[in-house]
Amino acid sequence: DQQVKQNSPSLSVQEGRISILNCDYTNSMFDYFLWYKKYPAEGPTFLISISSIKDKNEDGRFTVFLNKSAKHLSLHIVPSQPGDSAVYFCAASHNYGQNFVFGPGTRLSVLP
Amino acid sequence: NAGVTQTPKFRVLKTGQSMTLLCAQDMNHEYMYWYRQDPGMGLRLIHYSVGEGTTAKGEVPDGYNVSRLKKQNFLLGLESAAPSQTSVYFCASSHTGQRYEQYFGPGTRLTVT
Repeated sequence: DQQVKQNSPSLSVQEGRISILNCDYTNSMFDYFLWYKKYPAEGPTFLISISSIKDKNEDGRFTVFLNKSAKHLSLHIVPSQPGDSAVYFCAASHNYGQNFVFGPGTRLSVLP
Repeated sequence: NAGVTQTPKFRVLKTGQSMTLLCAQDMNHEYMYWYRQDPGMGLRLIHYSVGEGTTAKGEVPDGYNVSRLKKQNFLLGLESAAPSQTSVYFCASSHTGQRYEQYFGPGTRLTVT
């Protein structure tokens, strides 16, 4: 049973518009969340994180929102650019530990 | 500064053969990790190390062994490869104070026939 779910395998967005990637989790003990981006034939790269004591974290064009009661987080990219086309992974951990549980990823395509 | 490198990039093994994957990092990171990624699934942690000479099991450790004899290197061994170990393997490292921000290598694609 997947503890971290990304129910949309793929998403297409027009350049300049907002991209919203969603992630749901089942373990209420999770207290730290990450988003990674992955290009083909490369390893994932860290994008942004959020602690459970916050409900929002922003870094440039990227904002992550956390809704603990719904066990849901989302990544907003505004404005979307063609270079954002990649697979995005959501990950979660509890006790601020080393062991992260990753979701299956969402492939984002930003169309020019 | 090469970051995290993995050797080899590709490998084909026959069932029962053994091999070692090498991960090297030049960022002086204390933490190192081995993950596997299978189609339709997220990365799953195999083993990790919080420092030279220490290792610990992750989510899917069976069939793998690891060693961290030097701070900059983390080896992943398959003693008797099985088709279920066909996967893409990623190594990562992180600094103690920022262990959530992991730096990944480019991956090793392993096929076991």
